[in-house]
Amino acid sequence: NAGVTQTPKFQVLKTGQSMTLQCAQDMNHNSMYWYRQDPGMGLRLIYYSASEGTTDKGEVPNGYNVSRLNKREFSLRLESAAPSQTSVYFCASSESSLQRAYNEQFFGPGTRLTVL
Amino acid sequence: AQSVTQPDIHITVSEGASLELRCNYSYGATPYLFWYVQSPGQGLQLLLKYFSGDTLVQGIKGFEAEFKRSQSSFNLRKPSVHWSDAAEYFCAVGPRTGGFKTIFGAGTRLFVKA
Repeated sequence: NAGVTQTPKFQVLKTGQSMTLQCAQDMNHNSMYWYRQDPGMGLRLIYYSASEGTTDKGEVPNGYNVSRLNKREFSLRLESAAPSQTSVYFCASSESSLQRAYNEQFFGPGTRLTVL
Repeated sequence: AQSVTQPDIHITVSEGASLELRCNYSYGATPYLFWYVQSPGQGLQLLLKYFSGDTLVQGIKGFEAEFKRSQSSFNLRKPSVHWSDAAEYFCAVGPRTGGFKTIFGAGTRLFVKA
């Protein structure tokens, strides 16, 4: 039982390049999330997926796209990377659904992204 | 606006001393409340949560937190800190119904001196 896994662990991009961050969970959770963590700002929600086939914007969605490929996988894409997107990115999952009470989130180990 | 405030950016305590990390929130209704811990280079791990009932909740690693509705606070405590507790601690709030957006505080980094 691996929990939440993320790839890659580290990435360096040049401005304008694109990339996709991968996330998978093996806990059969309904909802999945992408956050970015910046010093002094805590975690900010980029996008989330309440269930397979649905995605919604969070607090800071600009410059990102997501895909909920199936119940297990939720990817984050940067189409044209900018230095302002230098951050640590965390994927999380939760049992939460519209039918069930809110539950805690389980986090992956993070991807450290630098955009030059 | 909904927000979570952790007033202390960092705290230093001696090993064996007691610890209290402060958390205040602004929310339309009483939310679900969480404390997470992040060790260097790691993801976040849940320490404890408050949903309802007893306002003093126990968590892992000897931590506890007390929910005070009148003060909109959810402070984290530990009676005796160990060197391995050095980490960053995040307070978070989430909606009770029909929502998925958790709001995190900026975090408090704990340093433990021998």
